[in-house]
Amino acid sequence: QKEVEQDPGPLSVPEGAIVSLNCTYSNSAFQYFMWYRQYSRKGPELLMYTYSSGNKEDGRFTAQVDKSSKYISLFIRDSQPSDSATYLCAMSGYSGGYQKVTFGTGTKLQVIP
Amino acid sequence: DTGVSQDPRHKITKRGQNVTFRCDPISEHNRLYWYRQTLGQGPEFLTYFQNEAQLEKSRLLSDRFSAERPKGSFSTLEIQRTEQGDSAMYLCASSSGLQGRTAYNEQFFGPGTRLTVL
Repeated sequence: QKEVEQDPGPLSVPEGAIVSLNCTYSNSAFQYFMWYRQYSRKGPELLMYTYSSGNKEDGRFTAQVDKSSKYISLFIRDSQPSDSATYLCAMSGYSGGYQKVTFGTGTKLQVIP
Repeated sequence: DTGVSQDPRHKITKRGQNVTFRCDPISEHNRLYWYRQTLGQGPEFLTYFQNEAQLEKSRLLSDRFSAERPKGSFSTLEIQRTEQGDSAMYLCASSSGLQGRTAYNEQFFGPGTRLTVL
């Protein structure tokens, strides 16, 4: 079993829809929960991160972490065609004095105008 | 551009050849990471440097792979005797030091080097 599981999609939604992306994990030591966005032929870029459980909102994006269920989500409101990308969940905890990051497989999202 | 840069962006090689990739991190970052990403997968950790010291290597990093960061600035990743299974995107990332237990030290990624082994 992988430490981080993510539905690979692809996910196709109409413009303006609410998008829900999810990951589950097995390692209880994870403390930081991140969402990265990766456009085609580019490196991943950090969207937002959460420390421990709770919600965090940034504009149209909301990240939720439920450590008791080992489940994290990213919601995108009023989705735009420019949101079309692969979304990677990632998690980290301290290992050897640094934050070792483990990524999910990514969910490919297409927002149709 | 003050982001992470990687060179080359694309490399096509024949099986058995050696290849070397370069990463230039963000200048004030002392931590540097290499990842490998295959199609439909997320990045997988390969190795980590703090300044010039290589502090961790993944089991994915076979003895054909070697990474260096000689002066604590740029880094190189060399693959010897390439195999078709080495075909992937090789990503470099850098980050600053620890900011405190509740802060995530964001890893900034470069654009990657796409390797194709024929």
